[in-house]
Order: sequence, then C-alpha cells, then structure tokens
Amino acid sequence: GDSVTQMEGPVTLSEEAFLTINCTYTATGYPSLFWYVQYPGEGLQLLLKATKADDKGSNKGFEATYRKETTSFHLEKGSVQVSDSAVYFCALKTGGGNKLTFGTGTQLKVEL
Amino acid sequence: DVKVTQSSRYLVKRTGEKVFLECVQDMDHENMFWYRQDPGLGLRLIYFSYDVKMKEKGDIPEGYSVSREKKERFSLILESASTNQTSMYLCASSKAGWTEAFFGQGTRLTVV
Repeated sequence: GDSVTQMEGPVTLSEEAFLTINCTYTATGYPSLFWYVQYPGEGLQLLLKATKADDKGSNKGFEATYRKETTSFHLEKGSVQVSDSAVYFCALKTGGGNKLTFGTGTQLKVEL
Repeated sequence: DVKVTQSSRYLVKRTGEKVFLECVQDMDHENMFWYRQDPGLGLRLIYFSYDVKMKEKGDIPEGYSVSREKKERFSLILESASTNQTSMYLCASSKAGWTEAFFGQGTRLTVV
C-alpha cells in the first residue's frame, strides 16, 4: 500500500539556519505530494503541493521538488524564523483516490 | 475564506458514553473526512464520505461510525467510548477530484 516516511524529530534550529526535512514515499501510480503544517493548537494547513514529477511547490519561503527517480519530496527553507516552529507533515494522494496518506510528522523548533 | 468548523476544541467523556463529534464546512465540498492524530503515528483516516448519505471506511474504522445527512455536515460517532480512543480528531473537506483538503482546528477528546 501507499506510505510516507519522514525524518524523525524534533528538529531544533537557530533562527536564520537552513532547514531540510526529508520525505520519501511509496505509491502505486503517480501520486500528488503535499506538505501540511500544524501550528501549536491548530489544525493542518496546506503549505505547498506538487502534482507531477519535477514540479516544485513553494510558499512562504518553503520549497519542495517532486523527485520521481528518488521517490522524494524534501522540504527546504533557506532561513527559518521562530514563527516557523510547528509540526510538518508530508502526505500523498494517488490518482483517483480520495485518501491522503500522511507521514508521522516532524516537529520543528526554531530558537533565537 | 474557506472554513471547516469542528464543534468542540476539547471534550472529556466517560468510558462507555456515546460521543458525537460534529464538523461543518461552508465550501459546498463533496468530500469530507475524519482523521485521528496520535504522536508517532501521524494522521490515520477513520472514515470518509464522498456524498450525502455515502460513506467509506478508512484505515481504522473499528469503534467508530459516521453520519452525513446534509452535504455540509459530517458527524463522527463513538458508540461506546473507550480510553484508547483518547486522541486528537481532525475533520477535513475537499472538492470532488480534489488536489487540496481543508482541515478544521481539531477536537482533543479525552476518555476517562
């Protein structure tokens, strides 16, 4: 079945550091890929998405590129801020399906 | 702004009680979902509905049922609450043929 593997957290960074959160997937067909973010006490918000190979999703300084050859969708940001502290979820949806399959989430803490 | 509203942020219920979690969306979306979020497990799909009165089981439907009498409302029912159902519950909605799901703020349920 479909699955998503994310790097374990928590990840602790200093403000302005470079961020990478790794995400790899296993899926039948050609999935759409997503990063969702959950700020403390809130539900999930879509951060960015990519629907086909080599697409790059970007939003709020975050980027991720859909790499079919390595089945990866790593999240990156060049300079994190304290306000980026949250839990980040990688997810996929296959073709005609109605289900999002999530990774376990990676908690990011950004300190001054 | 799109909106998915869950009726309660926090609930405390006793073992054996029948529990209703309510979710309303104002976007005229066809699909609605209930997920459960647990540390280290990410989000797991309980049930989803793709139309009024239609439902399908997700990955962990045992101990739960759902009701969708109107397009905008999707209810999750715990027939007899147990302590292992203590969790964060997240409702989401999406259009048919979607590439984005919108989430509510979550209901943190504690069963004592």
